[in-house]
Amino acid sequence: DTAVSQTPKYLVTQMGNDKSIKCEQNLGHDTMYWYKQDSKKFLKIMFSYNNKELIINETVPNRFSPKSPDKAHLNLHINSLELGDSAVYFCASSPQGGNTEAFFGQGTRLTVV
Amino acid sequence: RKEVEQDPGPFNVPEGATVAFNCTYSNSASQSFFWYRQDCRKEPKLLMSVYSSGNEDGRFTAQLNRASQYISLLIRDSKLSDSATYLCVVLNYNQGGKLIFGQGTELSVKP
Repeated sequence: DTAVSQTPKYLVTQMGNDKSIKCEQNLGHDTMYWYKQDSKKFLKIMFSYNNKELIINETVPNRFSPKSPDKAHLNLHINSLELGDSAVYFCASSPQGGNTEAFFGQGTRLTVV
Repeated sequence: RKEVEQDPGPFNVPEGATVAFNCTYSNSASQSFFWYRQDCRKEPKLLMSVYSSGNEDGRFTAQLNRASQYISLLIRDSKLSDSATYLCVVLNYNQGGKLIFGQGTELSVKP
C-alpha cells in the first residue's frame, strides 16, 4: 500500500493550460504539504494544510490553488501554466505539523512546453 | 541568505571512505532538525532526526550545535548504495510547522 500517492507521475502540457495534481495519504496524518523542486533540486514549500485548513501559504502565484476536500486529500490546481512552472511537485504528509517524519509522494514531473 | 545552507558538492569518494556533510541554518528559533536522503528522480526520505546530544544510527552520526546553528552528518565506511543527495532539514514551529530544506549535498561513492 502506497502511503502518499500522487497522480499523475508525469504531466506534459502547453503554456496557458489548466491542470490538476492529486494527492492522497492513507497514514491518518493531519498535516499535508505541497513542495516544488526546481531544476536546481531546491525543495521549497508552497502550501501546508492541517486538518483541511490552510496553515502555510508561501509567496506562490495565485494561479496555484490547493484544495483539501478532507484531511486525507490535498490537490493542487494550476491555472494558466507558464514555462517557469516546470518542476517536480511533491506532496507530503506528517502527523503533527512536521515535527516528526514527513512522508513524501513519488512526485509529479510537470513539463510546460 | 538561504535559511538552510549546504555545500552542494558533489562529493566523490571511494568505498569505505568516511565523509562529512555540513549545514548551517539562519533562524535561531528553529526547533527540530533532520537529515533526509533523496535518490535520483525519487522522493526524499527521512534518514535520521538530529538531537542536541548528537545521535548515531549504524554508520551514520548526526551532530547539532545550536550556538553555532550548525548541523553535521558523518557517514563511515561508505557503501555504493550511499550514493544519493543528502538534505539538511529544519523545522520552525513559529512558521506554522514549516519544514525548510537545504539544497542538498550530492554524494557519489565509487568502487
